[in-house]
Amino acid sequence: QQQVKQSPQSLIVQKGGIPIINCAYENTAFDYFPWYQQFPGKGPALLIAIRPDVSEKKEGRFTISFNKSAKQFSLHIMDSQPGDSATYFCAATRQRSSGDKLTFGTGTRLAVRP
Amino acid sequence: NAGVMQNPRHLVRRRGQEARLRCSPMKGHSHVYWYRQLPEEGLKFMVYLQKENIIDESGMPKERFSAEFPKEGPSILRIQQVVRGDSAAYFCASSPVGGAYEQYFGPGTRLTVT
Repeated sequence: QQQVKQSPQSLIVQKGGIPIINCAYENTAFDYFPWYQQFPGKGPALLIAIRPDVSEKKEGRFTISFNKSAKQFSLHIMDSQPGDSATYFCAATRQRSSGDKLTFGTGTRLAVRP
Repeated sequence: NAGVMQNPRHLVRRRGQEARLRCSPMKGHSHVYWYRQLPEEGLKFMVYLQKENIIDESGMPKERFSAEFPKEGPSILRIQQVVRGDSAAYFCASSPVGGAYEQYFGPGTRLTVT
């Protein structure tokens, strides 16, 4: 019940394309869903996050879509650039002021071709 | 405002030796999390600490691993009698009080056991 399933495992798009990465969760107690971007040899960087009371959130070229009934959420990258080539992780947790662990998906390796 | 700091960045240990990984959270953050990333895999939660307290250690192996976050100084993840299977990237994340679900990661320590 703690799993977060992520797909696809890898993705190749041309510059300007719109890669889409999908995640699904099981634990209905999760109520905060961040996405992290990781470059080789670096730590994950918080990219964008959503709460289940909204169906979509946009920050720059990055958009999260959220489907609470299906327990699914996805990341869209508009006008993708070669610099977006990285591994993307979805995650889920509970919003608690006392803190809680993140449960991560297995990651999607994105390559954006020039 | 400096980010999460981890040292050393790279650590090589022979089987049976001890590894000590250090993490200094972002200024103003009092929650520290440790995650492990095996090659080509996602991040797995290990332990969550606040100053002088272990809050959740459900992801820590029962033997050889320990963690602390003293009143003064960095958080320490200690691995005794390392084995080859401990080779991984270890990431520390920190979060502020009140926004404890927003976790910011350090650059990681890459442990290699020979």
